[in-house]
This record gives sequence, structure tokens and C-alpha cells, in this order.
Amino acid sequence: DTEVTQTPKHLVMGMTNKKSLKCEQHMGHRAMYWYKQKAKKPPELMFVYSYEKLSINESVPSRFSPECPNSSLLNLHLHALQPEDSALYLCASSQPGALAYGYTFGSGTRLTVV
Amino acid sequence: KNEVEQSPQNLTAQEGEFITINCSYSVGISALHWLQQHPGGGIVSLFMLSSGKKKHGRLIATINIQEKHSSLHITASHPRDSAVYICAVDGGGADGLTFGKGTHLIIQP
Repeated sequence: DTEVTQTPKHLVMGMTNKKSLKCEQHMGHRAMYWYKQKAKKPPELMFVYSYEKLSINESVPSRFSPECPNSSLLNLHLHALQPEDSALYLCASSQPGALAYGYTFGSGTRLTVV
Repeated sequence: KNEVEQSPQNLTAQEGEFITINCSYSVGISALHWLQQHPGGGIVSLFMLSSGKKKHGRLIATINIQEKHSSLHITASHPRDSAVYICAVDGGGADGLTFGKGTHLIIQP
């Protein structure tokens, strides 16, 4: 299995909702990432889990909270989002320090906040 | 912090033309990635380079570590190659990638 699987592919949520995005990989990669991408912009790093240790981009608001139940799964919990949070959320994985392993990106979750 | 510059930002060409997209970065890296993104779509990894040259089908990627520069070439371009091509660098560890702003390529039939 050489894929990063993201669910759901599309999500529309209200500003008072709580939802979760899920990401899964079975390549044995020990680093997993959440990126946010606005239209016509490059992705921006939100969170990194490397060997189950979390690193945060301090500019990310607390209404986004990541969770890494195990080394294969990465969730992004969403609560009280704003319309400006509408974007494509990309998950990726890699094996830190191993040049033979590239980044693998999921196909993304297109999030619309109404 | 690594600064990644891509050129050109936009490129329109006719089918069959040879395409070159350039990427330069400011700080030494462990690897450079070329990525492809179709409108509204996810990101597909085309190449990961740490030295030299790689070829896959009609795509060729080169990197010059000393000059901190990489190029992506497309031979015999086709309308299905129309996409955004993104250069991204990996500084090592697990700090995520630093992305260029992308090159929006349109191949006209």
C-alpha cells in the first residue's frame, strides 16, 4: 500500500459544528503532516507528528486540534470554524531521515465553512 | 528559513513544445521535490531529488546542489500536462516542506 487515504473528500460544515478529518497510511512512515491550502496558494504547514511527537505551527488557531492515535492514523478535529477556514486540507506522510522515501500526499479534503 | 523561488509563474505553450520550469532555493537541503496539482485536485509527487537527474516518461528533473537550483523539463508537451507544478524543498528531519509558489502551465492543442 503506497497511498495516503483522506476522508471525507468533501465537507460542508456550519460555524457551530464539530467535525473531524481523517488520514491513514500503511507505508510505515513515522512522520505525518497536515497542510492547509487556499486557492492559488502553496500549502501551509499546520501540524507535524514525527514518531508520535507533535510539532505545531504557532499561527494555527486553536479551533484546529490534531490527534495521532497511532503511527498510521492522523486526525484533525475542527470546532467553531470560520468561513476563512474554507480550504483544501492535505495530509502527507514521510519517513524522516530516509532519502529513499519521498513525501506521499493524500488527495485532500475540500472543506467549506458556511 | 529557506526561500524557494520558481519561474515562470505562468506559462502557456503549444502542444509538442519543450517546457522548462526552474526552481532555486537559498539554504542547503536534503531533498527537493517536484509536485503536480491539477485544478481543484490533490498533490501528486513527480520526483524527489537529492542529486543529479531523474527521468520518468516525458518528464526530466535535474538538480545542481552547488548552485541550489533545479529544473523540471517536459518533452513533447500535451494538453493533459496542464497543471500547477510546485517545487518544494526538504531541509531534513520532520519540519515539513517549504514550497515555491508554483508554475501554472497551460498546454494548448
